[in-house]
Amino acid sequence: QVLLVESGGGVVQPGRSLRLSCAASGFTFSDYAMYWVRQAPGKGLEWVAFISDNGINQYYADSVKGRFTISRDNSKNTQYLQMNSLRPEDTAMYYCARPALVRGIHRQIDYWGQGTLVTVSS
Amino acid sequence: QVVLTQSPSASASLGASVKLTCTLSSGHSSYAIAWHQQQPEKGPRYLMKVNSDGSHNKGDGIPDRFSGSSSGAERYLTISSLQSEDEAEYYCQTWGTGIVVFGGGTRLTVL
Repeated sequence: QVLLVESGGGVVQPGRSLRLSCAASGFTFSDYAMYWVRQAPGKGLEWVAFISDNGINQYYADSVKGRFTISRDNSKNTQYLQMNSLRPEDTAMYYCARPALVRGIHRQIDYWGQGTLVTVSS
Repeated sequence: QVVLTQSPSASASLGASVKLTCTLSSGHSSYAIAWHQQQPEKGPRYLMKVNSDGSHNKGDGIPDRFSGSSSGAERYLTISSLQSEDEAEYYCQTWGTGIVVFGGGTRLTVL
């Protein structure tokens, strides 16, 4: 079965960095684009970043552009989110998510990880 | 850019049915959406995709009590025979090239 397992969260001071990982299994990872989605405490879901199946294309939410970098290693079935210059407003649960792949086109998110919590606080 | 609008809250009695609505912004009425459920203190779970023609494709293991439909720019999630575990936040979601858009979520209370 499809499994997405995030790791790397923790408490970090403002301005510092953190790298999240998402280990995937149960599907051919290199066939799929991937997302990071976050959820601040008591708030809704917010898309953060996208990476294409081959890693060439990346897109970011305006709120993280220039500070966060999404990447992947298809040989390790893992994607990453490098978060630099962290701010208190980046405090959230960070979820790894996979879109459905239908006739070669990525569509709705159909699998989620369990999340990893990032707290930015002095 | 497309915007998805959801009512913040809904409620219905145990055993009854409820219909949640997700409205697509002007000019985007042909878009498909997905529904996701988030139970308290848990991560989201994919429920189904709902197309503009009302057809829907459910995720693995989603009970028959959950169904989707469409009318114009509105996409619906209907839950019948409500159970206590259906009390959750429900999010609609759509997508474009490399981006994802979420609605604000509807908190469903089962009375």
